Amino acid sequence: AQKVTQAQTEISVVEKEDVTLDCVYETRDTTYYLFWYKQPPSGELVFLIRRNSFDEQNEISGRYSWNFQKSTSSFNFTITASQVVDSAVYFCALSEDNQGGKLIFGQGTELSVKP
Amino acid sequence: GAGVSQSPSNKVTEKGKDVELRCDPISGHTALYWYRQSLGQGLEFLIYFQGNSAPDKSGLPSDRFSAERTGGSVSTLTIQRTQQEDSAVYLCASRVGGQGAYEQYFGPGTRLTVT
Repeated sequence: AQKVTQAQTEISVVEKEDVTLDCVYETRDTTYYLFWYKQPPSGELVFLIRRNSFDEQNEISGRYSWNFQKSTSSFNFTITASQVVDSAVYFCALSEDNQGGKLIFGQGTELSVKP
Repeated sequence: GAGVSQSPSNKVTEKGKDVELRCDPISGHTALYWYRQSLGQGLEFLIYFQGNSAPDKSGLPSDRFSAERTGGSVSTLTIQRTQQEDSAVYLCASRVGGQGAYEQYFGPGTRLTVT
């Protein structure tokens, strides 16, 4: 069965610190997709990134970077030089190729960046 | 362009009443999803529509829940005989068609409170 685990419920950092949000997934499919979403206090889920199971290349977008490792079934998210505006709940999600794209979400990690 | 819209943004209803929640997906998106976000259960998949195919209803928690999608666009989620445990934020998302490869874009949600 598919499952996503975000072991960190809450993280608190001071502005400019680097922070890594962990995500571990379980799936029996060979083709699957991983996502990160941000949910700021306003409540709307914002798409950040998608990775395909056959592409393990890490990705960097500005202060954000993602590390995908199939060997450990992990898809971790790092924010470099965090800012107060990064404060939000971050969700990791999985979809399997034969399941119509429905997302299985982790429980979320609440990140608080203090000035 | 316009994102996913949902109405109403907030709904308070008495236990036992029926409610209808509406979702307008992004124009051109053939896949539409409903999710529920509650404190105890996190983000849960409810139902999925793809084009003219039969919907995937595997996430609906009981037969009090139903949904339809008219003309391949607007969707309505109906909850009959509401119960207090139905209180949650109901999120709608849409994406382009195909398998699970594409990211979903979420609406702002409808916060349902059953008193």
